[in-house]
Amino acid sequence: AQSVTQPDIHITVSEGASLELRCNYSYGATPYLFWYVQSPGQGLQLLLKYFSGDTLVQGIKGFEAEFKRSQSSFNLRKPSVHWSDAAEYFCAVGDTGGFKTIFGAGTRLFVKA
Amino acid sequence: DARVTQTPRDKVTEMGQEVTMRCQPILGHNTVFWYRQTMMQGLELLAYFRNRAPLDDSGMPKDRFSAEMPDATLATLKIQPSEPRDSAVYFCASGAGLANEQFFGPGTRLTVL
Repeated sequence: AQSVTQPDIHITVSEGASLELRCNYSYGATPYLFWYVQSPGQGLQLLLKYFSGDTLVQGIKGFEAEFKRSQSSFNLRKPSVHWSDAAEYFCAVGDTGGFKTIFGAGTRLFVKA
Repeated sequence: DARVTQTPRDKVTEMGQEVTMRCQPILGHNTVFWYRQTMMQGLELLAYFRNRAPLDDSGMPKDRFSAEMPDATLATLKIQPSEPRDSAVYFCASGAGLANEQFFGPGTRLTVL
């Protein structure tokens, strides 16, 4: 069965520092992979997605993620974090045979001045 | 710009009352999802539809929850009777069926007293 693991419940980084949020998935084939962001009181917004091709994908707001098949990982990165990036981040895997998407438990990002 | 809308944004009701939440998917999207988000359980998929037909509602308590799509512009989630444990934020999301990318609404915050 598909699953998504986000090992870090919360992470605190200083403004201007780099960020990496971890995501591991379990899926039999090459999955569709996503990162979503949720600001307080808002719905989830898609940051970026991977379907195939280049394993380094660029998203909105300066985020990028790298698909590593050998590690079953899809980590999210940003070189310099801004205070407005404080939010909850969800990694997700899509079923290529259907329409369901499985979401991880989320990682809450805190940004300190 | 196109977005998913949900009404009401907030709902406070008493145990035993009927609650109906509504969602207008993005025009042209043929896949609609209902999620529930709580601190304890995170984001749970309740049900989803494709071309207005229910594909999976296994995540939904059948005895009190029902989901329908009366037409392509409206999805409803109904709880009858409501219970305090139903208190959560309910999200609707829609997609074009392409690789599971989903667009989320702002959510309905339900409080059952």
